Parts: sequence; structure tokens; C-alpha cells
Amino acid sequence: DQQVKQNSPSLSVQEGRISILNCDYTNSMFDYFLWYKKYPAEGPTFLISISSIKDKNEDGRFTVFLNKSAKHLSLHIVPSQPGDSAVYFCAASGGGTNAGKSTFGDGTTLTVKP
Amino acid sequence: DTGVSQNPRHKITKRGQNVTFRCDPISEHNRLYWYRQTLGQGPEFLTYFQNEAQLEKSRLLSDRFSAERPKGSFSTLEIQRTEQGDSAMYLCASSSPDRGGEQYFGPGTRLTVT
Repeated sequence: DQQVKQNSPSLSVQEGRISILNCDYTNSMFDYFLWYKKYPAEGPTFLISISSIKDKNEDGRFTVFLNKSAKHLSLHIVPSQPGDSAVYFCAASGGGTNAGKSTFGDGTTLTVKP
Repeated sequence: DTGVSQNPRHKITKRGQNVTFRCDPISEHNRLYWYRQTLGQGPEFLTYFQNEAQLEKSRLLSDRFSAERPKGSFSTLEIQRTEQGDSAMYLCASSSPDRGGEQYFGPGTRLTVT
């Protein structure tokens, strides 16, 4: 039972356009959601997060949207740059003693073409 | 502080041998996590520590796996009697409880069991 799903294994966009990466979750106990970026031969790097009490969080070119009723979140990258090409993981964590322990999706490989 | 470090970066071992990996977290982080990642999948939670206490261990982790974090600093992950199915990337991450679920990952140890 995969609790965090990224249904698109890959996404290709043109430089300067918007990249939209999607993530769905099933566990309503999750209250904190994160996006990580991973380059080959490196560990994941934290990108942006959102608490369940919010529906949007923005950091520069990156914006995460959360739709709790649909159990869906998305990451928007505007404008996309070739250096954004990487694997993007969606992750979710619960509160209390489980705060910090994260459940990850299987990732979406983003390719930004010059 | 240069971040989370892991050693060795690569390990090739024969089936049935024991292996031990080390993780040095960011010094001010009191939480430390171990994940396993196989090709095409996201990091899968194995276990985590708060200071020296092991707070949770995944039920997916067999009794051949053991982790320690003496004195709440570095951690070791040992796999006894390795099997080919243990071949994976083993990732370590650390976090601070005042930063939500944000985790900082090391580069990982790639284990190949022949």
C-alpha cells in the first residue's frame, strides 16, 4: 500500500516554461509535505515544504500547492531552467513522535530542454 | 559543518558476509534516519533515532539489520548475512525538530551483494 504516489515517472519541458509535478497521498494523518530534488550520485536535497494548515507556499521560482480535500499536492517551477533537471521526490510526514519520519513517492524525473 | 557524511560510499560484498555502514550527521541535529533506496523507487524508511534512542524500526526491516547511535552522535547500520536482495543505496539523513520534517541527506552508501 503506497501512501505517497507520483504517477508521472518523467516530465519534459522547454526552458522558460512552467514545470508542474504532481503527488497524491492516501494517509489523512500526514500533516507536513515536502519536495526533494536529487541529482545522480547525490542524496536528496530539501527544496520546499508546506504544512497542512496552508494551501500554498512559495520560495523564489518554486511554489507548492496543497489540496487537502483531494489529498493532492503539486510543485510548480517557473521559469524552468536546464539546471532544474533532476529527480523530484514528494514526501509526507505526520505529527507528534512521527514528526520528521517521511514517506516518499517514487519520484518524477524532470528534464528541462534548452 | 559540511553536512551529513556517509562511509563507505560503495561496498561490494559476497552473499553471507556482514557489512557495516557509518553515518555522521550534522552536529546540532538530534534526529537521525536511515533509508534504503532501490532503482526507480523513492527512499524507504528503515529506522530513526532521537539522540541515542532508537524510536522506530520499520517492520520491513528483518532481524539481520541493526542500527546504533552511541552517545547520540554518529550512527552505524549493520547488515548480517547479506543477501542479494540487500543490494541498494543506503541513505542517512538528519534533522532538527524545530525545522518540521525537513531532512538533510548524506550521499549514501551503495551496497552490491554478489
